[in-house]
Amino acid sequence: AQKITQTQPGMFVQEKEAVTLDCTYDTSDQSYGLFWYKQPSSGEMIFLIYQGSYDEQNATEGRYSLNFQKARKSANLVISASQLGDSAMYFCAMREGPSGAGSYQLTFGKGTKLSVIP
Amino acid sequence: DAGVTQSPTHLIKTRGQQVTLRCSPKSGHDTVSWYQQALGQGPQFIFQYYEEEERQRGNFPDRFSGHQFPNYSSELNVNALLLGDSALYLCASSPPVGRGDTQYFGPGTRLTVL
Repeated sequence: AQKITQTQPGMFVQEKEAVTLDCTYDTSDQSYGLFWYKQPSSGEMIFLIYQGSYDEQNATEGRYSLNFQKARKSANLVISASQLGDSAMYFCAMREGPSGAGSYQLTFGKGTKLSVIP
Repeated sequence: DAGVTQSPTHLIKTRGQQVTLRCSPKSGHDTVSWYQQALGQGPQFIFQYYEEEERQRGNFPDRFSGHQFPNYSSELNVNALLLGDSALYLCASSPPVGRGDTQYFGPGTRLTVL
């Protein structure tokens, strides 16, 4: 089974509108971390936001917020007020086990290509 | 504050050759991970180095090997290159234990095997 599933290969959003990128995950661990990265066409993976499995509040970083629904095993990324520079691939990733003591690898989904329309 | 750097940016090799890719971690980071990203896919974990030792390895053959130096920089070596090794190779660094485990990525090395 896929550990990280991103069901939207591509998304379009109008500039200044909000958009939600979906991510579901599969793990039997109680402690884990969820990450979102942005990858422009240049190739560099840019860290956006992190959510720990025991964090009670949804993570927010500027225009990015993570809609964490633990029971549904979903960690959707919400981008508010989209900008042209937000056009890129977006990857959801998971670290299984507790920070610093569990698995050290990140497992990535296949990504969602977001296109912002002027 | 310099981020993660990688060299070279691009590389073209032929089948059977060997290649070495280099990575310098972000200042203050002591752990380096390597990922392979094939076209249209998410990155796949190759291995992670900490204290100059391979701490964890993904599902990659022994043709893939690495090294970490005392200054925390790292190399990825791939022997007997195959056409399927063509990919973007990403290096990521993370801070010491207790300071979070977010991995910060470099710009990548794009390897083409002909």
